[in-house]
Amino acid sequence: QKEVEQDPGPLSVPEGAIVSLNCTYSNSAFQYFMWYRQYSRKGPELLMYTYSSGNKEDGRFTAQVDKSSKYISLFIRDSQPSDSATYLCAMSARNTDKLIFGTGTRLQVFP
Amino acid sequence: GAGVSQSPRYKVTKRGQDVALRCDPISGHVSLYWYRQALGQGPEFLTYFNYEAQQDKSGLPNDRFSAERPEGSISTLTIQRTEQRDSAMYRCASSWTGADNSPLHFGNGTRLTVT
Repeated sequence: QKEVEQDPGPLSVPEGAIVSLNCTYSNSAFQYFMWYRQYSRKGPELLMYTYSSGNKEDGRFTAQVDKSSKYISLFIRDSQPSDSATYLCAMSARNTDKLIFGTGTRLQVFP
Repeated sequence: GAGVSQSPRYKVTKRGQDVALRCDPISGHVSLYWYRQALGQGPEFLTYFNYEAQQDKSGLPNDRFSAERPEGSISTLTIQRTEQRDSAMYRCASSWTGADNSPLHFGNGTRLTVT
């Protein structure tokens, strides 16, 4: 079993839809949770960062962490064609800088 | 440059040859990471450095893989006696401090093809 599980998609939604992306994990030591966005032929770039449980909002993006269920989510409101990319969850434990990534979910937002 | 720079962008090599992949991190970044990313997969951790010290190399697949960062800046990932299964995108990332305190900035990667 992988430490981090993520549905690879693809996920195809119309412009303006609310998108929900999710990851589950097995390592209870994970404390830091991130979402990266990766456009085709580019390196991943950080989108959201959350420490421990709770919600964080940044513009159209909301990240949620539920440590009791070992489940994290990323919501995208009013999705745009420019949001079309692969979204990777990533997490690490305290006292280590080793970041573990999910497989990524490919999202396509069509006009 | 403003970002993490990796070279070469593409490398094609014959099975059995050694290759060296270079990473030039963002100036001043303390931590440097190497990841490998297969098509349709997330980055897979290989190793990381704080300054010149290799902190964790648990992700290196076998002893054909090694990495160094002798002066705490540029890093080289070396693969000896390459095999076809080594073909992948190799990505370098750097951060101000550790991954739990500052985001990783990724380079555009080196696409390695072993024929």
